[in-house]
Amino acid sequence: GAVVSQHPSRVICKSGTSVKIECRSLDFQATTMFWYRQFPKQSLMLMATSNEGSKATYEQGVEKDKFLINHASLTLSTLTVTSAHPEDSSFYICSASVGDSGYTFGSGTRLTVV
Amino acid sequence: QKEVEQNSGPLSVPEGAIASLNCTYSDRGSQSFFWYRQYSGKSPELIMSIYSNGDKEDGRFTAQLNKASQYVSLLIRDSQPSDSATYLCAVEQAGRRALTFGSGTRLQVQP
Repeated sequence: GAVVSQHPSRVICKSGTSVKIECRSLDFQATTMFWYRQFPKQSLMLMATSNEGSKATYEQGVEKDKFLINHASLTLSTLTVTSAHPEDSSFYICSASVGDSGYTFGSGTRLTVV
Repeated sequence: QKEVEQNSGPLSVPEGAIASLNCTYSDRGSQSFFWYRQYSGKSPELIMSIYSNGDKEDGRFTAQLNKASQYVSLLIRDSQPSDSATYLCAVEQAGRRALTFGSGTRLQVQP
């Protein structure tokens, strides 16, 4: 089946630094990638949708200058959290659409900003 | 604001019983519906998808959809302790390829 590999699985960074999260589609071409954020005991909230070769579409309330998304190839999408602060600590998950109606998820990245 | 509502639980059932999980959604144009299971600290994993009104069965799982009532449910038969997890209802937004998730129902299966 379609697999999305997400790295790193866990990262701790200092406040003010930037962190990059990668998602790779291993056996299919992901023209569209979705980025979600999940705070403890809450559900997944869609942050942005990226399409290969074009600018990402951000959901209302998500700062596009803080959460930089690059989808330069059909197999790689990256999310960079710039100038991270403790309130950005969360579980970040990528997802790719597969076929006509289906989605596969990466394994998630636990970000802790100290 | 497109919404997906679930009872947060916890829903506690004894081993071997049927667990019933419910979900309502607000977007009448939605056509695709999904149930995911999420263990603590892990990414969601797909249990079932359903697109047409009625029931869809897969092993111990049955998804039910009623578009007129904007209601989706998941039945888990012969519940096992390993089924203990948070179950997320997800609805594909009308007109775009993106999912809106409910807040999840925590299921506890007691041995």
